[in-house]
Amino acid sequence: RKEVEQDPGPFNVPEGATVAFNCTYSNSASQSFFWYRQDCRKEPKLLMSVYSSGNEDGRFTAQLNRASQYISLLIRDSKLSDSATYLCVVNIDKLTGGGNKLTFGTGTQLKVEL
Amino acid sequence: EPEVTQTPSHQVTQMGQEVILRCVPISNHLYFYWYRQILGQKVEFLVSFYNNEISEKSEIFDDQFSVERPDGSNFTLKIRSTKLEDSAMYFCASSERSAYNSPLHFGNGTRLTVT
Repeated sequence: RKEVEQDPGPFNVPEGATVAFNCTYSNSASQSFFWYRQDCRKEPKLLMSVYSSGNEDGRFTAQLNRASQYISLLIRDSKLSDSATYLCVVNIDKLTGGGNKLTFGTGTQLKVEL
Repeated sequence: EPEVTQTPSHQVTQMGQEVILRCVPISNHLYFYWYRQILGQKVEFLVSFYNNEISEKSEIFDDQFSVERPDGSNFTLKIRSTKLEDSAMYFCASSERSAYNSPLHFGNGTRLTVT
């Protein structure tokens, strides 16, 4: 089983649509969870952290289900500028100060169309 | 907003040559990283660096790779003898601390092409 698994897409949606991405992770020791956004041939950029209680940032809502090892991202009222690859990322924190070793999914491609 | 900067943006080298990729992390950050992304594949962890030493490295980070913080601002990745399969985008990143939800800030990457 892959460490972080995502549907690669692409998801082609009209502007204004609501779209949801799902992600599963295999390591139950994972502690931190994130969604990153990556535009073509660019660096990953943090979109939002994902908290156990779920969290929202404007049009974006993230959910975490630790029991099912499942993370989701919901984008409401999608814009053309939301077109990108969305990366599900998990981190197993090391208590000995080893920094953040992020494990990335392969990403889900979103294309928002007129 | 402070950012991580990487140079060069594109490096072309011949197989067997040494390359050094350079990064300037955000100034108050204490943790530094290298990741790579082969075209069409996922972003992969290479190494993390803290307090002037490697704190963790992946299987990819073999003896051909090394990292260094030669001064107070630069963080470099050296590949001693490049192979064709080293062709990838290399991203440097830094974070303020190693803690729950300390986000990584990525540089805009160096595209390495080994011919």
